[in-house]
Amino acid sequence: AQKITQTQPGMFVQEKEAVTLDCTYDTSDPSYGLFWYKQPSSGEMIFLIYQGSYDQQNATEGRYSLNFQKARKSANLVISASQLGDSAMYFCAMREGPNSGYSTLTFGKGTMLLVSP
Amino acid sequence: DAGVTQSPTHLIKTRGQQVTLRCSPKSGHDTVSWYQQALGQGPQFIFQYYEEEERQRGNFPDRFSGHQFPNYSSELNVNALLLGDSALYLCASSLGDVGASYEQYFGPGTRLTVT
Repeated sequence: AQKITQTQPGMFVQEKEAVTLDCTYDTSDPSYGLFWYKQPSSGEMIFLIYQGSYDQQNATEGRYSLNFQKARKSANLVISASQLGDSAMYFCAMREGPNSGYSTLTFGKGTMLLVSP
Repeated sequence: DAGVTQSPTHLIKTRGQQVTLRCSPKSGHDTVSWYQQALGQGPQFIFQYYEEEERQRGNFPDRFSGHQFPNYSSELNVNALLLGDSALYLCASSLGDVGASYEQYFGPGTRLTVT
């Protein structure tokens, strides 16, 4: 079974509108972390937001928020007020086990977001 | 403060050849992880180096090997290249022995094409 599932290969949104990118995950480890990365065409993975499994509140970083529903094992990314520069691939990733600099990440297949004027 | 750097940016090799990719971690970081990202896929973990030793390894054959130097920079070597090795190779750095740090910083990647 896939550990990270992103069911939307592509999403379209108009500038200034909000968009939700879906991510579901599968783990039996009680301690884990969920990440969202943005990858523009240049290739670099840009960290957007992080949610730990024990965090009580949903994470927010500027226009990005993570809708964390633990029982449903979902960690959707919400981008408010989309901008043209948000057009990129978006990856959901998971760290299993306690927080550590040794952690490795398992990524989903990504969602391509296109923002139109 | 320099981020993660990788070289070369692009590389074209022929089947059967060997290739070496290089990574310099973010200043202050001591752990380097390598990921392979095939076209249209998410990155897959190859291996991780800490204190000049391979600490963890993903599901990749022995043709993939690496090295970490005393200055924490790292190399990824791939022998006997196959067409399927064509991918973007990403390096990520972190501070291994910290615990509270959750961020991995990624470099811009090396795009390898095998013909």
